[in-house]
Amino acid sequence: QQQVKQSPQSLIVQKGGISIINCAYENTAFDYFPWYQQFPGKGPALLIAIRPDVSEKKEGRFTISFNKSAKQFSLHIMDSQPGDSATYFCAANQAGTALIFGKGTTLSVSS
Amino acid sequence: DSGVTQTPKHLITATGQRVTLRCSPRSGDLSVYWYQQSLDQGLQFLIHYYNGEERAKGNILERFSAQQFPDLHSELNLSSLELGDSALYFCASSASGNTIYFGEGSWLTVV
Repeated sequence: QQQVKQSPQSLIVQKGGISIINCAYENTAFDYFPWYQQFPGKGPALLIAIRPDVSEKKEGRFTISFNKSAKQFSLHIMDSQPGDSATYFCAANQAGTALIFGKGTTLSVSS
Repeated sequence: DSGVTQTPKHLITATGQRVTLRCSPRSGDLSVYWYQQSLDQGLQFLIHYYNGEERAKGNILERFSAQQFPDLHSELNLSSLELGDSALYFCASSASGNTIYFGEGSWLTVV
């Protein structure tokens, strides 16, 4: 399988701070790059996604930055809140194929 | 609620046994994906079915098999279970595009 590499493995951020999680991919055929949020005991839930024809997408406090030439994308969480404490996964795929996931980042937002 | 239903939510079984996990995709979704989540391996893609036909295989062991029925529900069969098979198994579904929706998972413990 083509890999998606995610970092850091864990992240501690103070309330109100910015959380940044990075991912890199290998397969240039990927055309969809989502981020999923997972709380303990729950399934991953789609948070935000981007396609390679744009460099940035913002939804509320969540922003994806995409660098096609570097084959990298990142998730920025502005004004991080304790309720954002969860595991975040980046992923990538082509339409109609399985998502390939990064290994996840455990985010803890301290109050 | 993603609309993807998985049963059972939890099961405990002994080594060497066989279990069947069930999944009902979102209404109208033709694709079903199975993923395994363990602490050290993240979300691993196992297998993808589209409208009853196997589309792709990932890191699925030969002891594992799956099928998708005419009503589009799917089953993942795990046999000759080993301690290392203990994990959270997710079913996910999608329409013809990229976005994939996950169920809440089936937590398997092999003792």
